[in-house]
Amino acid sequence: NAGVMQNPRHLVRRRGQEARLRCSPMKGHSHVYWYRQLPEEGLKFMVYLQKENIIDESGMPKERFSAEFPKEGPSILRIQQVVRGDSAAYFCASSPPSADTRYFGPGTRLTVL
Amino acid sequence: GENVEQHPSTLSVQEGDSAVIKCTYSDSASNYFPWYKQELGKGPQLIIDIRSNVGEKKDQRIAVTLNKTAKHFSLHITETQPEDSAVYFCAAPRTGTASKLTFGTGTRLQVTL
Repeated sequence: NAGVMQNPRHLVRRRGQEARLRCSPMKGHSHVYWYRQLPEEGLKFMVYLQKENIIDESGMPKERFSAEFPKEGPSILRIQQVVRGDSAAYFCASSPPSADTRYFGPGTRLTVL
Repeated sequence: GENVEQHPSTLSVQEGDSAVIKCTYSDSASNYFPWYKQELGKGPQLIIDIRSNVGEKKDQRIAVTLNKTAKHFSLHITETQPEDSAVYFCAAPRTGTASKLTFGTGTRLQVTL
């Protein structure tokens, strides 16, 4: 059973470009969570999604950030018009329905030049 | 909201010694407490978790204890080995927001030979 998959693992963007981060949850998991981690810091919750629904986006910046989890395909975290402050590691986690346990992917390290 | 404090921020022990990391939480209704290990360049990996209906859980060299009255829980690693060197995060859920797992700020454990 493959774990949570994220791609790309590393992403470099120039200021003003768009960044798209993908997450495929573990098989059988219908809940996806996105977290951001700045260097030497902890994990900050961004958004919680179920298939075709955003359940909680209270941790996500109001502008430039969006997330989706379509019926088919991976969950996508999209950052428009990136700025240097967006440079961080972005982790996706998944869980089965009605379960607390989160399983994390390897992360996408975004660098904004 | 839930506030999770983690101590110490760094911990250095000699191989074979024990390591203890402690977290306190604020929401008395929290009922699930996981611990994650994050190695350099990787995603957090769940190593052990405990629910509020038990006071202690053990898995080989790793144990977690929970004191609901004092609202703190601790990770205990015995007979430490160099491969235990990593950053460890505790987490606790926010009541009423099943999505949000609030993480501690992390403890960098260094096991020296």
